[in-house]
Amino acid sequence: GENVEQHPSTLSVQEGDSAVIKCTYSDSASNYFPWYKQELGKRPQLIIDIRSNVGEKKDQRIAVTLNKTAKHFSLHITETQPEDSAVYFCAASTGRRGSTLGRLYFGRGTQLTVWP
Amino acid sequence: KAGVTQTPRYLIKTRGQQVTLSCSPISGHRSVSWYQQTPGQGLQFLFEYFSETQRNKGNFPGRFSGRQFSNSRSEMNVSTLELGDSALYLCASSLEVRPTDTQYFGPGTRLTVL
Repeated sequence: GENVEQHPSTLSVQEGDSAVIKCTYSDSASNYFPWYKQELGKRPQLIIDIRSNVGEKKDQRIAVTLNKTAKHFSLHITETQPEDSAVYFCAASTGRRGSTLGRLYFGRGTQLTVWP
Repeated sequence: KAGVTQTPRYLIKTRGQQVTLSCSPISGHRSVSWYQQTPGQGLQFLFEYFSETQRNKGNFPGRFSGRQFSNSRSEMNVSTLELGDSALYLCASSLEVRPTDTQYFGPGTRLTVL
């Protein structure tokens, strides 16, 4: 099945700096890559996603890039704020038919801390 | 629209007991997935249901089972609880079972096994 690796596991930045989280995946059939933010004690919330026919997507301070050849995708947060502090998860969903269709494979998460 | 809801929010059980957790998807969503979240293993996929049928299953023992009802509500059951089953159990709903369908998570059920 798909294997998603995420780095780094922890990331500390100063308020206003940028943060970058990187993920790699193994299944070339994966075609959907969402990112979730989970604050302490809360549910994972989708913050941005990208489909395999797109190389980059932006939403205000958040952007995601996808390199299908290298099988990696990254989350970029600019002008970080203390409220960005949370655990961020990347995930991949394979378009391969069969029992894995539609299933999300998650990375292990990155604890982002933004210091004021 | 109301979001995904899960009941109960917290549960304390002892080893050997069984437990049933419930998930109500967003109205109109037909697919429900279940995940186990632990500090050591992260988010691990348990199973996915669509139209009352299990479509996907993760690598969990047979003690973990689930079902989906005609109104898309889903339940998961864990029998013969073990200490290692202590975790946050999250369900997520999506419109269909397509790879690009966004999954929306519920608040989770925190299960503690003593």
